[in-house]
Amino acid sequence: AQSVSQHNHHVILSEAASLELGCNYSYGGTVNLFWYVQYPGQHLQLLLKYFSGDPLVKGIKGFEAEFIKSKFSFNLRKPSVQWSDTAEYFCAVNLGGDMRFGAGTRLTVKP
Amino acid sequence: DTGVSQDPRHKITKRGQNVTFRCDPISEHNRLYWYRQTLGQGPEFLTYFQNEAQLEKSRLLSDRFSAERPKGSFSTLEIQRTEQGDSAMYLCASSPTGGAGANVLTFGAGSRLTVL
Repeated sequence: AQSVSQHNHHVILSEAASLELGCNYSYGGTVNLFWYVQYPGQHLQLLLKYFSGDPLVKGIKGFEAEFIKSKFSFNLRKPSVQWSDTAEYFCAVNLGGDMRFGAGTRLTVKP
Repeated sequence: DTGVSQDPRHKITKRGQNVTFRCDPISEHNRLYWYRQTLGQGPEFLTYFQNEAQLEKSRLLSDRFSAERPKGSFSTLEIQRTEQGDSAMYLCASSPTGGAGANVLTFGAGSRLTVL
């Protein structure tokens, strides 16, 4: 079955620690890949996206993600997290208009 | 344009009642999506439209759920004979199909349904 998997349900880090959140998908063919973030009490908003070209994409607030086609992965990274990065992070895959999300990873950054 | 609007923001209803949610997308966006989200879970796909055509509907969606987008602008999601398991946040999102924002979803604030 087609799916989007996020490996970590809840990640707790101290400020300045590095972050990597895993995302794997099981769709074949050409896909568009996204990371969305939901800060407490706010809407889901786009963090970054990959459509084609350079597999390392940069987004807002110092986040980046790397698309590895052979591993069907699109992991999210940030070298040094801040307390304000506390939020829920969702990986998403768009296959020709059909947009599916992973279960999300809750990130808690301790000051 | 003020983004994607959803109404009502919160609905409390008794089991067995029907409820309807409305979504007004960003005006130039021709795709409109409905998702359901429960606590600690990701958005679960329900259905999506391109203009007025409903292109896909989740197999998980029971026939108590129906969505329309009659003029290709706003959309409604109706849940008939609500059950307690329907309690969730119902999210609407829209996207263009072309240009720099193609396939990038903009979400509304959601409509929270509580079924007693």
